[in-house]
Amino acid sequence: EVQLVESGGGLVQPGGSLRLSCAASGFTFSSYSMNWVRQAPGKGLEWVSYISSSSSTIYYADSVKGRFTISRDNAKNSLYLQMNSLRAEDTAVYYCARRMTTVTYLLDYWGQGTLVTVSS
Amino acid sequence: DIQMTQSPSSLSASVGDRVTITCRASQGISNYLAWYQQKPGKVPKLLIYAASTLQSGVPSRFSGSGSGTDFTLTISSLQPEDVATYYCQKYNSARLTFGGGTKVEIK
Repeated sequence: EVQLVESGGGLVQPGGSLRLSCAASGFTFSSYSMNWVRQAPGKGLEWVSYISSSSSTIYYADSVKGRFTISRDNAKNSLYLQMNSLRAEDTAVYYCARRMTTVTYLLDYWGQGTLVTVSS
Repeated sequence: DIQMTQSPSSLSASVGDRVTITCRASQGISNYLAWYQQKPGKVPKLLIYAASTLQSGVPSRFSGSGSGTDFTLTISSLQPEDVATYYCQKYNSARLTFGGGTKVEIK
């Protein structure tokens, strides 16, 4: 069974940093590209970042470029999101999500999410 | 960047009603369009991909259509368990974009 479990969320002050993790199981993690998607309280879904299976291709949303860094450790079946210079508008539930196959960018599995709250 | 615009932002309909949600892309995306259902407090669930292909296990009352820039999600007979927010998403590139969502309620 495919499982994605996020962790690392919490309360952080504006300007602070946080590192999110996503532990993957039930599939060959190293063969799949991954994404981070977020959802602010009561708001819609926003794609944040993408990383290919080998980490050779990385993309960021303009809203986080230069502040967030996506990475992965295939040996540990883990995906990460390093978030620096956090702002109030970064407050959201952060989901990791798997790219379905190499021929489509569709997302097929999502984790349960971890809440990040940026507030003083 | 391609923008995805959904309408309406919310709707209220009676059980058994036919419900239609529209999604418009600012540029053509062929059929690289998915629909997700998100119930309160839950993770988004993939309903339809390739604009009209039903994901396994999704009830047949859900259907999708469209290509290019204009797409629709139809619930042929609204059920109480369909209360949720529905999002369209374009996936023709790694830079995914979601629509703003349509909240569906029972009248």
